[in-house]
Amino acid sequence: AQSVTQLDSQVPVFEEAPVELRCNYSSSVSVYLFWYVQYPNQGLQLLLKYLSGSTLVKGINGFEAEFNKSQTSFHLRKPSVHISDTAEYFCAVSDNTGFQKLVFGTGTRLLVSP
Amino acid sequence: NAGVTQTPKFQVLKTGQSMTLQCAQDMNHEYMSWYRQDPGMGLRLIHYSVGAGITDQGEVPNGYNVSRSTTEDFPLRLLSAAPSQTSVYFCASSHKGRFQETQYFGPGTRLLVL
Repeated sequence: AQSVTQLDSQVPVFEEAPVELRCNYSSSVSVYLFWYVQYPNQGLQLLLKYLSGSTLVKGINGFEAEFNKSQTSFHLRKPSVHISDTAEYFCAVSDNTGFQKLVFGTGTRLLVSP
Repeated sequence: NAGVTQTPKFQVLKTGQSMTLQCAQDMNHEYMSWYRQDPGMGLRLIHYSVGAGITDQGEVPNGYNVSRSTTEDFPLRLLSAAPSQTSVYFCASSHKGRFQETQYFGPGTRLLVL
């Protein structure tokens, strides 16, 4: 079974500052990793995903994440955030067999202030 | 394309009442699933379907029934609502691809059970 830990429930940051949202996972098998964003009162939208290959994954809206197998981490980064990035961010993992059963972390609320 | 649609947006039930949460997608996706989102717990998989006529249980299936008679629709039924089922419910769909295809989420149904 897989599990995901997002240690930071909330991350406040000023506009144009860099941000890193942390995600650690555990699994006994190979996994795929995902970051989703949820804007207020909306569904989830995929930011990026790691399936294989390059450990640095680039996504939408200027976000990127790095897969680190030895540290079982998949941290999300953005060099300069905007007010519009204020949202809830979820890290998720699935195994590499058949249907994509996503296991989500508890989420990190990113609060960007001017 | 409307994408993934869910109805109703909000519902209040009394304990013991039954209801059906509707989910439809117009992208001809083979895979569909239901998640519930609770504060501090992230999203958890309730049931999923890999095609018409095929359903299976996820992490938290108790108290919920599903069926998949068409590719487009995947309703979630609560036979006897309980306060513990107060939550936000998300439907998602994706193609049955060779590699982990992107899951598309609906806007959610907010359910309150009194």
